[in-house]
Amino acid sequence: DQQVKQNSPSLSVQEGRISILNCDYTNSMFDYFLWYKKYPAEGPTFLISISSIKDKNEDGRFTVFLNKSAKHLSLHIVPSQPGDSAVYFCAARGDPLDAGGTSYGKLTFGQGTILTVHP
Amino acid sequence: DTEVTQTPKHLVMGMTNKKSLKCEQHMGHRAMYWYKQKAKKPPELMFVYSYEKLSINESVPSRFSPECPNSSLLNLHLHALQPEDSALYLCASSQIPGQPRQYFGPGTRLTVT
Repeated sequence: DQQVKQNSPSLSVQEGRISILNCDYTNSMFDYFLWYKKYPAEGPTFLISISSIKDKNEDGRFTVFLNKSAKHLSLHIVPSQPGDSAVYFCAARGDPLDAGGTSYGKLTFGQGTILTVHP
Repeated sequence: DTEVTQTPKHLVMGMTNKKSLKCEQHMGHRAMYWYKQKAKKPPELMFVYSYEKLSINESVPSRFSPECPNSSLLNLHLHALQPEDSALYLCASSQIPGQPRQYFGPGTRLTVT
């Protein structure tokens, strides 16, 4: 049962245009969402995050939008640059105070989307 | 220093071997994690250490044995692995347990022959 899904395995965008990466989730107990970027032969690096009490968070060229009613989040990159080409994972944190009491903020990752930005 | 280091970068081992993966961070983080990532799949949580104590074991087979000798160091001892255990093993840390932002190391690429 995949609780976090990225339905687009890949996305190709022209340099300077907007990249939009999407992520859907099923667990309404998730309270925090993150985007990580991963280059080959490197570990994931944190990009941007958003709390479930917000609907938008912006950091430079990166903006994350959260639609709780639709259980959907998206990452917008504007303008896209060739150096943005990487695998992007969305991740969701379980409520550390959930009924089980043992989640300790476990992160659940989506399958990833390969972004290619062409010069 | 916001780096998590992992050694070795690559490891090839036979099914009867015993080996260890090492992870180190000097950010003063008190939670450390082991993840396993297969090709074209997301990272999957294996273990969580909170304040040097094992707090989560995601039903990982006993041929994987984690150890946290101190707050900066995390080991993963491997014994009698199977070829399907071949994967990228990622270590991560966070400032405190439950904090969502985790810092990842580059991983150890493990091949079991």
